[in-house]
Amino acid sequence: SQKIEQNSEALNIQEGKTATLTCNYTNYSPAYLQWYRQDPGRGPVFLLLIRENEKEKRKERLKVTFDTTLKQSLFHITASQPADSATYLCALGVGTDKLIFGTGTRLQVFP
Amino acid sequence: DSGVTQTPKHLITATGQRVTLRCSPRSGDLSVYWYQQSLDQGLQFLIQYYNGEERAKGNILERFSAQQFPDLHSELNLSSLELGDSALYFCASSPYDRTQYFGPGTRLTVL
Repeated sequence: SQKIEQNSEALNIQEGKTATLTCNYTNYSPAYLQWYRQDPGRGPVFLLLIRENEKEKRKERLKVTFDTTLKQSLFHITASQPADSATYLCALGVGTDKLIFGTGTRLQVFP
Repeated sequence: DSGVTQTPKHLITATGQRVTLRCSPRSGDLSVYWYQQSLDQGLQFLIQYYNGEERAKGNILERFSAQQFPDLHSELNLSSLELGDSALYFCASSPYDRTQYFGPGTRLTVL
């Protein structure tokens, strides 16, 4: 069956450290993958998009990798801050602009 | 502010009733997506419209229907409501680059 798995448990890290979130998928062949941030009770906010032929993408303190052989994406936040605390969702781009979302990983950054 | 608006913000209704959720996409975006987010299910894709035409369907129940009007706003109709339909309903719009911009959501409570 088709599955997208993100760390179901919360990730707790200290301010200043690098947070690494994982997204694994099975039985999908996504043309691209996106990462979103979601705060409680609010809509997801787009962060980064990476295509199947790209290995890595960066934006300020964010870095995403995409390994289509391992069927995995890693999302890194360097020099993390308490304001980075939120739930992070990965989403696979399949079909015609359709996104399939993972269940998300809750990140908590402590001062 | 994503530029996507949704009304109403909150909706409380009884089982068996019918409700309509409304979404106005960002100016210029032709694609509109509807998602349901409940605590135990994550963000589930329901349906996509592109310039008035249905483009993709996800896990949308037969009791639910949607449409996109010539001015590009969209409505999601939920009928014969059940307790399990209580959730956050998000609308998103997208330009050509596949980024999705989410609205603030409508919180539906079915009593």
